Amino acid sequence: QKEVEQNSGPLSVPEGAIASLNCTYSDRGSQSFFWYRQYSGKSPELIMFIYSNGDKEDGRFTAQLNKASQYVSLLIRDSQPSDSATYLCAVKDTGNQFYFGTGTSLTVIP
Amino acid sequence: GAGVSQSPSNKVTEKGKDVELRCDPISGHTALYWYRQSLGQGLEFLIYFQGNSAPDKSGLPSDRFSAERTGGSVSTLTIQRTQQEDSAVYLCASSSGLAGETQYFGPGTRLLVL
Repeated sequence: QKEVEQNSGPLSVPEGAIASLNCTYSDRGSQSFFWYRQYSGKSPELIMFIYSNGDKEDGRFTAQLNKASQYVSLLIRDSQPSDSATYLCAVKDTGNQFYFGTGTSLTVIP
Repeated sequence: GAGVSQSPSNKVTEKGKDVELRCDPISGHTALYWYRQSLGQGLEFLIYFQGNSAPDKSGLPSDRFSAERTGGSVSTLTIQRTQQEDSAVYLCASSSGLAGETQYFGPGTRLLVL
């Protein structure tokens, strides 16, 4: 059984702070890693993807991947109230199947 | 081009009735996924279609659930003899099927079984 684990939270950070979201996965053969944001009542939308070990930055978002530790994280710098949402970690295997974590609820306090 | 579309956006039905949910994937996407999300819960995988291969039905919760994909494009998820516990948002997503490519979600169908 391929598993993706996330801390369900809720995670609360003050506006302007760094929010750190973590995810671990069980399948060492996983190829691609994705972070989705889901606002209440809406569908998930892609924030970032990462394939290689290390960091990948896109604006205020940085994804970090450590395949040896089977760990992927998302950092949100200068957090804004509009970042308040549930963040879903997803892992894709070689068979094109996606496995999702249960999500971490983030609240950015003005 | 257009994104993934789903219909209806909302469906209210009575317990015991059958319902059909439709998904139109992004044109050219070979992979299509169905998920279910209950209120406040994570995504529950239901079924996955990839090209002409046999679908992965491992997530279907019971034999009341079935899905088909005609012509490698539009997909229909059918729930027979609906139960109250079937109430949820049903999300469809599609992907190009290429290695590393993400999936794109439709707006979902909100199903309420009374």
